[in-house]
Amino acid sequence: GAVVSQHPSWVICKSGTSVKIECRSLDFQATTMFWYRQFPKQSLMLMATSNEGSKATYEQGVEKDKFLINHASLTLSTLTVTSAHPEDSSFYICSALRASGTSTTDTQYFGPGTRLTVL
Amino acid sequence: QKEVEQNSGPLSVPEGAIASLNCTYSDRGSQSFFWYRQYSGKSPELIMSIYSNGDKEDGRFTAQLNKASQYVSLLIRDSQPSDSATYLCAVNRNFNKFYFGSGTKLNVKP
Repeated sequence: GAVVSQHPSWVICKSGTSVKIECRSLDFQATTMFWYRQFPKQSLMLMATSNEGSKATYEQGVEKDKFLINHASLTLSTLTVTSAHPEDSSFYICSALRASGTSTTDTQYFGPGTRLTVL
Repeated sequence: QKEVEQNSGPLSVPEGAIASLNCTYSDRGSQSFFWYRQYSGKSPELIMSIYSNGDKEDGRFTAQLNKASQYVSLLIRDSQPSDSATYLCAVNRNFNKFYFGSGTKLNVKP
């Protein structure tokens, strides 16, 4: 398998503060990582695709100025939730794409997730 | 039409039975297919991937792919209560554009 870590696993912050979440691929390099959000009992929602060395691609409806993504190395992507508000409370999950040599068989491996609570 | 469709369930099976989970996808150009398991409050975990028509077996799990019918399934033999989770079907179309189904909740009753 492939191991992806996330840090922190949970965070509680006050409204208006910023929170940074790290996603690391521990045993493979990932030029592409994905960030998802999941509300209770709902489906995964893709927020953005993070590419090493370039700007992230955001899904429609996701504010890029609020959810800052940086993919500075082949093993690390970060998501910063700026000026967090209670409605941003959710389960944030990253995944890393492990390349197989052909893009058609590349596989996503998920991190354990970060539970964000904004008071 | 959704890219990937799954019955939300819940699908209830008794312990020891075969659980059959199904998924259809809309784009014939889709190249690879994945099943993930997600326990409540946890992130998804990869169970199996399949790329060619036919069956692929891994322990108690068998993935089946029929590209002509645009259909992917996951069979779980000898289901255990620990298999109770939501199962997500995912499809990689091209250039790593992934689509996930909304998941099927499986309950395995002791």
